[in-house]
Amino acid sequence: DAGVTQSPTHLIKTRGQQVTLRCSPKSGHDTVSWYQQALGQGPQFIFQYYEEEERQRGNFPDRFSGHQFPNYSSELNVNALLLGDSALYLCASREGVRTGIDTQYFGPGTRLTVL
Amino acid sequence: QKEVEQDPGPLSVPEGAIVSLNCTYSNSAFQYFMWYRQYSRKGPELLMYTYSSGNKEDGRFTAQVDKSSKYISLFIRDSQPSDSATYLCAMSVPSGGYQKVTFGTGTKLQVIP
Repeated sequence: DAGVTQSPTHLIKTRGQQVTLRCSPKSGHDTVSWYQQALGQGPQFIFQYYEEEERQRGNFPDRFSGHQFPNYSSELNVNALLLGDSALYLCASREGVRTGIDTQYFGPGTRLTVL
Repeated sequence: QKEVEQDPGPLSVPEGAIVSLNCTYSNSAFQYFMWYRQYSRKGPELLMYTYSSGNKEDGRFTAQVDKSSKYISLFIRDSQPSDSATYLCAMSVPSGGYQKVTFGTGTKLQVIP
């Protein structure tokens, strides 16, 4: 059973460019969340998708957008990249959205470097 | 003030030592308390979770929550080199029918053989 998978593993972009990151959830999971983890920091919640809709959003600007497909996979798009967007972007999946405990499974992440 | 404070370390201990990892928090509405382990170049994995004050044990790991002091700890007994990783505390609070999760910055642990 494959866990959460993310692509690409690494990515280098320049300021002002746009980037798309991809995530496939663990089998049986229908909810996907995205996190940004800067070096030496804990993951910061970006947003969560369920039934192809954004259900929750953290304190991130509109430059960060996402999408969920009918097969539950998801994309994270970041426009007008800034140097400060350099981070590890983590995708996490879970079954359902309203369970009591945050039993979500994380992927290995995509390391984004903005030059 | 951050909602969740965690000493970033690094913490270096000899194999077999008892390790104590700690977090403090300011939001008394936090409902669930979790510990994640993150190996280098990997995503975090959930180690333990609890929602009440007191201790919860799972093998060599014990999670402790003191809601009156807003303080949580993770103890690792008989530490092994394979325990070398970054340990993240996380806490969640109900928000619009969902759980909003806040992570600490993580403590990097190195267990020396």
